[in-house]
Amino acid sequence: EVQLAESGGGVIQPGGSLRLSCAASGFTFRNYVLNWVRQAPGKGLEWLAYVGISSRSIYYADSVKGRFTISRDDAENSLYLQLNSLRAEDTAVYYCARGVGLGDFDYWGQGTLVTVSS
Amino acid sequence: DIQMTQSPSSLSASVGDRVTITCRASQSISTYLNWYQQKPGKAPKRLIYGASSLQSGVPSRFSGSGSGTDFALTISSLQPEDFATYYCQQGYITPLTFGGGTKVEIK
Repeated sequence: EVQLAESGGGVIQPGGSLRLSCAASGFTFRNYVLNWVRQAPGKGLEWLAYVGISSRSIYYADSVKGRFTISRDDAENSLYLQLNSLRAEDTAVYYCARGVGLGDFDYWGQGTLVTVSS
Repeated sequence: DIQMTQSPSSLSASVGDRVTITCRASQSISTYLNWYQQKPGKAPKRLIYGASSLQSGVPSRFSGSGSGTDFALTISSLQPEDFATYYCQQGYITPLTFGGGTKVEIK
């Protein structure tokens, strides 16, 4: 069974940093692309970042480019998102999502909540 | 960026009704269109990929159609467990973008 489990969320002050993790199991991690998607409270879904197989390709949404960094560790079956220079508008549930190719989200984790507040 | 416009933003329907949600892309995306269902407090679940392919395990009352800029998700006979919010998403080019969502409520 494919499983994705995010962790690392919490309450952080504006300007602060946080590292989110996504632990994967039930599939051959290195063969899949991965994404981060977020959802602000009561709002829709926003794609944030993509990392391809072997990290050959990495893409970001303009809203987080230069502040967030996506990475993967195939040996640990884990995906990461480093969040820097956090703003109130970054408050959201952050999901990791697996894909076969670019643009595809076939399985999602349960999400981790990041709250940016003083 | 490609804008995805869903309509309606919400609808009320009864169990057994046929429901259609539409999604329009601001430029042609071929069939790089996916549909997701999200229930409150839960992660999205993919229903349809490639505009019309049914995700494994998803009931056959869900179907997708369209290509280019105009797409539709149809639920042939609405069931109690189908009351949720539905999102379309283009996978043609980054930034990957979602529609604003359609909330399906009980009439």
